[in-house]
Amino acid sequence: DVVMTQSPLALPVTLGQPASISCRSSQSLVHSDGNTYLNWFRQRPGQSPRRLIYKVSNRDSGVPDRFSGSGSGTDFTLKISRVEAEDVGVYYCMQGTHWPPGFGGGTKVEIK
Amino acid sequence: EVQLVESGGGLVQPGGSLRLSCAASGFTFSSLWMSWVRQAPGKGLEWVANIKQDGTEKNYVDSVKGRFTISRDNAKNSLCLQMNSLRAEDTAVYYCVRGKMGFDYWGQGTLVTVSS
Repeated sequence: DVVMTQSPLALPVTLGQPASISCRSSQSLVHSDGNTYLNWFRQRPGQSPRRLIYKVSNRDSGVPDRFSGSGSGTDFTLKISRVEAEDVGVYYCMQGTHWPPGFGGGTKVEIK
Repeated sequence: EVQLVESGGGLVQPGGSLRLSCAASGFTFSSLWMSWVRQAPGKGLEWVANIKQDGTEKNYVDSVKGRFTISRDNAKNSLCLQMNSLRAEDTAVYYCVRGKMGFDYWGQGTLVTVSS
């Protein structure tokens, strides 16, 4: 199975400052169809996960443009340009390229 | 508006059975793969199973193979997960999720607790 490794585990950030989360996969996530199925989710306390980014860098509808995804192959990054209070939660990367689909361990974003 | 509403969770003894359901609305259910994802208390996310649009292909994580069965009823826009021989390690919130690789919409989840 593909192993998804996120870092850091916890990310204390100051309001208005940038934040960055890394996600690395044990195999390339480029699918045979040419797409890279790497998604990012945020789970706020007590809520279901919500997808923010799909196929590496595409923002879902309603997701603020302060969120951006980048990367290729095995190395991916989620960036928040200016953290707001509503951004707290646990962020997960997930690969859908290889069976079985797999999630990273999560990164907890909290306000300093 | 896409909605996924799970039901059927509860407390069950080890070795017991439970059937989860997910009512889907707001999209053409029969045209999409569907999945179940679970989250043990205080832990991360784990994909459990998925099913093709017409139900002809089903996939499971190794830890539930032979014990869980995923099914769907496209006429009723419904997804199910039959869980047998339940173990303590199956304790989790179970989410109904749209898609095979995208996972773009999630239900609110239903809690399954396996304990004596």
